Amino acid sequence: DIQMTQSPSSLSASVGDTVTITCRASQSINKHLNWYQLKPAKAPKVLIYGAANLQSGVPSRFSGSGSGTDFTLTISSLQPEDFATYYCQQSFATPTFGGGTKVEMK
Amino acid sequence: QVQLVQSGAEVEKPGASVQVSCRTSGYTFTDYYIHWVRQAPGQGPEWLGWIDPDSGDTKYAQKFQGRVTMTRDTSINTVYVEVNSLRPDDTAVYYCARDRTTVTSNWFDPWGQGTLVTVSS
Repeated sequence: DIQMTQSPSSLSASVGDTVTITCRASQSINKHLNWYQLKPAKAPKVLIYGAANLQSGVPSRFSGSGSGTDFTLTISSLQPEDFATYYCQQSFATPTFGGGTKVEMK
Repeated sequence: QVQLVQSGAEVEKPGASVQVSCRTSGYTFTDYYIHWVRQAPGQGPEWLGWIDPDSGDTKYAQKFQGRVTMTRDTSINTVYVEVNSLRPDDTAVYYCARDRTTVTSNWFDPWGQGTLVTVSS
């Protein structure tokens, strides 16, 4: 299986900050990379699909980039509702997820 | 709107089986695969497999082959996952999620609200 490694595993930020999360695949996955937001007791939500495509209804402060093995999720001007855990997931082969990045309030 | 609503929390003993349901609405049930994903405490999500609600065809992650069964009931737009021979490390939140596929991309959207399965003696 393709291994997905996220960093950092957690970070502290304030409302209004710009946050960057990285995800590295153990082999090239072209642009077959998705980002999800998970909150306790809520259904997970896709933010970005195909590395850089914003899911309908997701605020434009979320953006994704990258191809091959290295990918980035950026949250510009962090909002209170953005404190959550974020996961990357590759869809190039049997789906696998990263270990997650918890965004906490500073 | 598209909705996936899952059954409630379950507590089972080691060696038992558990079945979780996922009732769908708001779209044509047979048009989209459904995936099952689980997340154990402190770990990243883990894909279990998918089911084609139209044909009933399934594909399971190698790790779960022989221990997981996915089925569907087209009369009530519902899919099920059954996990057998439960172990304590099967304790997790189990999610269903609809497949979304384009020419260039494949992702899960939307997801069910999750079902906590606890395996404990």
